[in-house]
Amino acid sequence: DGGITQSPKYLFRKEGQNVTLSCEQNLNHDAMYWYRQDPGQGLRLIYYSQIVNDFQKGDIAEGYSVSREKKESFPLTVTSAQKNPTAFYLCASRGGLAGAQNEQFFGPGTRLTVL
Amino acid sequence: AQSVTQLGSHVSVSEGALVLLRCNYSSSVPPYLFWYVQYPNQGLQLLLKYTSAATLVKGINGFEAEFKKSETSFHLTKPSAHMSDAAEYFCAVRGSSASKIIFGSGTRLSIRP
Repeated sequence: DGGITQSPKYLFRKEGQNVTLSCEQNLNHDAMYWYRQDPGQGLRLIYYSQIVNDFQKGDIAEGYSVSREKKESFPLTVTSAQKNPTAFYLCASRGGLAGAQNEQFFGPGTRLTVL
Repeated sequence: AQSVTQLGSHVSVSEGALVLLRCNYSSSVPPYLFWYVQYPNQGLQLLLKYTSAATLVKGINGFEAEFKKSETSFHLTKPSAHMSDAAEYFCAVRGSSASKIIFGSGTRLSIRP
């Protein structure tokens, strides 16, 4: 049963703490993505990775960091430098070549709340 | 640059009525277009996609969308709304970096009994 898993579903963090969100996929996809979703603003790209050991900043990378040591895993760390981290975080993956018309597949999301 | 505009952040229709969610795009390359649906506190699920094979694209759950190049539109329709269609809908276009997708701001669809 292929898909994308994100854990935990809900996460609470105190101000000043770093926190890591997990994203795992067993679809054998090369590309993986992290988005942030706020009410009324759609999805904004944080980081993406097209291949293992390589990743690029998206539109709102400040205060976030990622790693891509394995094809199936793309964890996102929300650092204390992120000024307003409370949001819904979505991980996605995409198969095929970069120019292909393949869609992105999404995980169920992690809702992060800073207390 | 690629962009997507969804007209109407909230659309409300009666059960059994036509659903029409509007999407206009801008793209400097031949567009690949997508519609996704998101139910509360869940991830996004692909409804359908346009990849130049046919201008009328049929998707899941009875939805379809028509690509109109002259109008730069890709509106989503469903002939008869069901209560289970209540969700957020996102239109998206392939980005200038082909590995990225640009999402619209979303349209929340409500269904009245």
